[in-house]
Amino acid sequence: DVKVTQSSRYLVKRTGEKVFLECVQDMDHENMFWYRQDPGLGLRLIYFSYDVKMKEKGDIPEGYSVSREKKERFSLILESASTNQTSMYLCASSLRTRGGYTFGSGTRLTVV
Amino acid sequence: LAKTTQPISMDSYEGQEVNITCSHNNIATNDYITWYQQFPSQGPRFIIQGYKTKVTNEVASLFIPADRKSSTLSLPRVSLSDTAVYYCLVGPTGPGNNRKLIWGLGTSLAVNP
Repeated sequence: DVKVTQSSRYLVKRTGEKVFLECVQDMDHENMFWYRQDPGLGLRLIYFSYDVKMKEKGDIPEGYSVSREKKERFSLILESASTNQTSMYLCASSLRTRGGYTFGSGTRLTVV
Repeated sequence: LAKTTQPISMDSYEGQEVNITCSHNNIATNDYITWYQQFPSQGPRFIIQGYKTKVTNEVASLFIPADRKSSTLSLPRVSLSDTAVYYCLVGPTGPGNNRKLIWGLGTSLAVNP
C-alpha cells in the first residue's frame, strides 16, 4: 500500500522554537505539498515542490520554509514558532500530470 | 480560479444511496473535478476524479453533465463508516498548477443507523 508518512502525529513546542515537520512518500511522486487545516478555514496551501530542490510558495508561506533535498522527502520548517501556527499540518504528494493527492495522517502541532 | 459550492451538511441512513452535488460555474477547459473524503484527525483520501460524463470506481461514481458546471458524487448503499467530510475540488493537473486548487469547507455527511 502506497504511503505518505509524517514523522509525528502530535507535537507540542514553545513559542520561538524552530520546528521541523518531516514527510516521506514511497510512491516516487514528483509533487509534494504542505497544507495546514484549521476549523472554519479549510485546507490552505503553505508550500509545494514539483521536483528535488524546487519549491514554490502557496497561499500562506509567511513564517514557514521548506526543504526538498531528495525526491521522497519534503520538510516544513517553522523558523520561530508562534501560537498562531497551532494547527493540523498535512503533507501530500501526487504525480506530476495526473491523479489526485495522497495525504499523510497529519501532525497536530500545538505552540504554547 | 474555479470556486466550488457544495452543501455544508447532509444526513442519510445506512443502505441508502447518497448524492452530493458540487457547483463550479466558472470551470475552465483544462480543469478536472476531484473528490476527497476526510475522517476526523486524518488527511483527506482521494475518492474519484473525472473530466466529463461518468466515471465509476469501486467506491463511488462521478456524474458530470455536458456543460461541466456541476458534478455529483454518488455513494451507493452508504454505511456508518461513510460518515465523513467530502470535498469537491476543481482545477488543472500538471506541474505548477497545484496552487490553483481551492479547498472549500466540504460537505459533512452523517450516516445514521
